[in-house]
Amino acid sequence: GNSVTQMEGPVTLSEEAFLTINCTYTATGYPSLFWYVQYPGEGLQLLLKATKADDKGSNKGFEATYRKETTSFHLEKGSVQVSDSAVYFCASEGNTGGFKTIFGAGTRLFVKA
Amino acid sequence: DAGVIQSPRHEVTEMGQEVTLRCKPISGHNSLFWYRQTMMRGLELLIYFNNNVPIDDSGMPEDRFSAKMPNASFSTLKIQPSEPRDSAVYFCASSERRGTEQYFGPGTRLTVT
Repeated sequence: GNSVTQMEGPVTLSEEAFLTINCTYTATGYPSLFWYVQYPGEGLQLLLKATKADDKGSNKGFEATYRKETTSFHLEKGSVQVSDSAVYFCASEGNTGGFKTIFGAGTRLFVKA
Repeated sequence: DAGVIQSPRHEVTEMGQEVTLRCKPISGHNSLFWYRQTMMRGLELLIYFNNNVPIDDSGMPEDRFSAKMPNASFSTLKIQPSEPRDSAVYFCASSERRGTEQYFGPGTRLTVT
């Protein structure tokens, strides 16, 4: 069946370090791909998205590229800040009837000052 | 728009009692989702509606759970009778249509003692 797999956390980095959170998916067809972020005590909110192969989504210094050949959508940021500490979820969602939203398990990021 | 509105934000109840969680989606959104989040099981999709019609309720854990969407601006998730293992944060989310990004509410933290 369809699935999303992301790297286990927690990930602990120092401020200004480079961040990569890996995400791979399995799906029928070509789903839209998303990264959501959840700050403590809040609901998930969209961070970025890509709707077709080779698209690059970007927001707040984060970016991810839709790689069809490797079925991946890795999240990257060149220089993390303490305020980036949160849980990050990769998700895939089809655009045909009956295709369910699939979320990864989430990766918790801690950034130290 | 005020975003997705959920009530109550916190609910503490005793085992065996009925619990009703409420959600008002963003105006104009056609899809509505109910999720449950726990440390053990992560984020789980319980049920989703499209144009007020339940499309997939395979994530509803058992018959004690029921959800309704009587109109485009209101949905409820009911647990009767509640059990301690139902303790979790319940999120409601909405999207313009299937396949687009979801907007999450702030969640309802349910504690069943």
